[in-house]
Amino acid sequence: QPVLTQPPSVSAAPGQTVTISCTGTSSNLGAGYDVHWYQQLPETAPKLVIFGNKNRPSGVPDRFSGSKSGSRYARSASLVISGVQAEDESDYYCQSYDDRLDGSKIFGGGTRLTVL
Amino acid sequence: QVQLAQSGAEVRKSGASVKVSCKTSGYNFVHYDINWVRQATGQGLQWMGWMNPGTGNTGFAQNFKGRVAMTTINSIATAYMELRNLTFEDTALYFCVRGRVLDPFDFWGQGTKVSVFS
Repeated sequence: QPVLTQPPSVSAAPGQTVTISCTGTSSNLGAGYDVHWYQQLPETAPKLVIFGNKNRPSGVPDRFSGSKSGSRYARSASLVISGVQAEDESDYYCQSYDDRLDGSKIFGGGTRLTVL
Repeated sequence: QVQLAQSGAEVRKSGASVKVSCKTSGYNFVHYDINWVRQATGQGLQWMGWMNPGTGNTGFAQNFKGRVAMTTINSIATAYMELRNLTFEDTALYFCVRGRVLDPFDFWGQGTKVSVFS
């Protein structure tokens, strides 16, 4: 059972905005640890699209944005894709750190984005 | 440029062990942890553990403690992950990933498919 909770699927038409949520607990996101987001096409290595809650690596389009709800100690975070394009159809995973689990890195269960 | 190149696909019988390699280039190997993440077909990402090549320190997810070993040969900038006592449930794509303690996983290997049959 993944430690971080994501919706299994979301969908949007091209040009629409889609939000993917990631909910944790007091020992991970609620403890102030950053959340990172990855995009993955089937059977390929994930690609980092947001790090440190809200930062985009070089080369990631600016239609991708991220936030933690309210404050750095919020238990939830979001990935927003503004103006979805067909090429954004992928699986998306949030990832953080949990200090209750011997310093484990943790992932959400993943969200499949379907572009209609 | 940073690259992580993994060894090829493996097939093992239940109860056997498998060792996957991850040859890195383009950065100072001892300055970053190597993590291992796996993904069963149709499933999500599962973090297995990490190793710091500079210190030799390791940390493992609870599910893998006692069954996994992570090592490096720093002179050739290569990391290894060995998983013992394999079961069918270990059939998955295994990734090596660069990333320090609280940092994101910024560079990934291409993945190594491990198939286990009974």
